[in-house]
Amino acid sequence: AQTVTQSQPEMSVQEAETVTLSCTYDTSESDYYLFWYKQPPSRQMILVIRQEAYKQQNATENRFSVNFQKAAKSFSLKISDSQLGDAAMYFCAYIRYRDDKIIFGKGTRLHILP
Amino acid sequence: DTGVSQDPRHKITKRGQNVTFRCDPISEHNRLYWYRQTLGQGPEFLTYFQNEAQLEKSRLLSDRFSAERPKGSFSTLEIQRTEQGDSAMYLCASSLSGALHFGNGTRLTVT
Repeated sequence: AQTVTQSQPEMSVQEAETVTLSCTYDTSESDYYLFWYKQPPSRQMILVIRQEAYKQQNATENRFSVNFQKAAKSFSLKISDSQLGDAAMYFCAYIRYRDDKIIFGKGTRLHILP
Repeated sequence: DTGVSQDPRHKITKRGQNVTFRCDPISEHNRLYWYRQTLGQGPEFLTYFQNEAQLEKSRLLSDRFSAERPKGSFSTLEIQRTEQGDSAMYLCASSLSGALHFGNGTRLTVT
């Protein structure tokens, strides 16, 4: 069975600074996706960034980038130039390639300090 | 709006009552998923459908829970004889080839 571990329940970062959220996962499958979702207080799940496991190049989406280390089964999210609107719960998610089933980590609550 | 829609947004019920939630996925998405999320936790998988076939059910889905997707379009999740521990946000998502979209969820409060 696949598992996703987020070891940081909460983090804080000063506005305009950079923060990195950690995620590790466990799987025996070779094909899968990895996502980071943001969940603000409104509870809507918003996709931040996605990475296909077969791609070696790290995904980047504006201020968001990932460090994907497939051998180490690590998938961290870096947020550059943090903004107040980035404050939310962030969930790392493993998606099974064969049926898109998602397994979520427990989340990291990110606080942005003005 | 062509996103995933869930109805109702909020439901308050008394313990022992039955409740039913509805999810309308994005029209061309063949896969539909139900998740449950309690406060401060990540969403937990409940079940998923490919078209009208229910392909996997979590052990979290006790015999009081049933989900259907009769025509491969919308889905319903019913909870019978609700308990206070059923209070949670119930999230629906749909997908097509790795493109996953979530609805806004239904928040259930059992009093």
